[in-house]
Amino acid sequence: EVQLVESGGGLIQPGGSLRLSCAASGFTVSSNFMTWVRQAPGKGLEWVSVLFSGGTIYYADSVKGRFTISRDISKNTLFLQMNSLRVEDTAVYYCARGGAPATQYYLDYWGQGTLATVSS
Amino acid sequence: QTVVTQETSFSVSPGGKVTLTCGLNSGSVSPSHYPSWYQQTPGQSPRTLIYSTSIRSSGVPDRFSGSILGNKAALTITGAQADDESDYHCLLYMGSGIWVFGGGTKLTVL
Repeated sequence: EVQLVESGGGLIQPGGSLRLSCAASGFTVSSNFMTWVRQAPGKGLEWVSVLFSGGTIYYADSVKGRFTISRDISKNTLFLQMNSLRVEDTAVYYCARGGAPATQYYLDYWGQGTLATVSS
Repeated sequence: QTVVTQETSFSVSPGGKVTLTCGLNSGSVSPSHYPSWYQQTPGQSPRTLIYSTSIRSSGVPDRFSGSILGNKAALTITGAQADDESDYHCLLYMGSGIWVFGGGTKLTVL
């Protein structure tokens, strides 16, 4: 059974850093593309970043230069390092798995999300 | 800047039919955007309904269908049920490793 479990959220001051984790089970994180999606309170979903199985990475303009996506295959875990955090980064962060084949460009499994709150 | 447009809200009667749409502020939505649709109830994670325009995800009832209508992607619910009351999000692939979500549509069944 495919499962994604996020952790690492919390309350952080503007300018601070957080590292989110997404522990995967039931598949290998390097076999599918993996994404981070966020949802600000009361708002819609926003795509944040993708790590393709071959290692290529892309970011939304809103986080480029501040966030870094990575994976640890030995731990079967996806990460999102968030630096220079802003109040507007406050959101529930979901990791989601890319569906197969990757060329269908959709998300098939989602984690339960972890809340990151940026506030002074 | 690419903006994906969705109706803010919609209502449908139980047993009725409703079509939600997903457009682009600049241009038309086509199958090459690989439109996908996600259902989300308050406090829950999104659930995948439709991908690649019209393919239903595993376990999704056939009352949900996807298509391209004119210059937009569309999600149609035929025979709406009370538990279809949710937020519906569309997602478009813009190419070059970039995706954009629409703002989401809040569907009320009453």
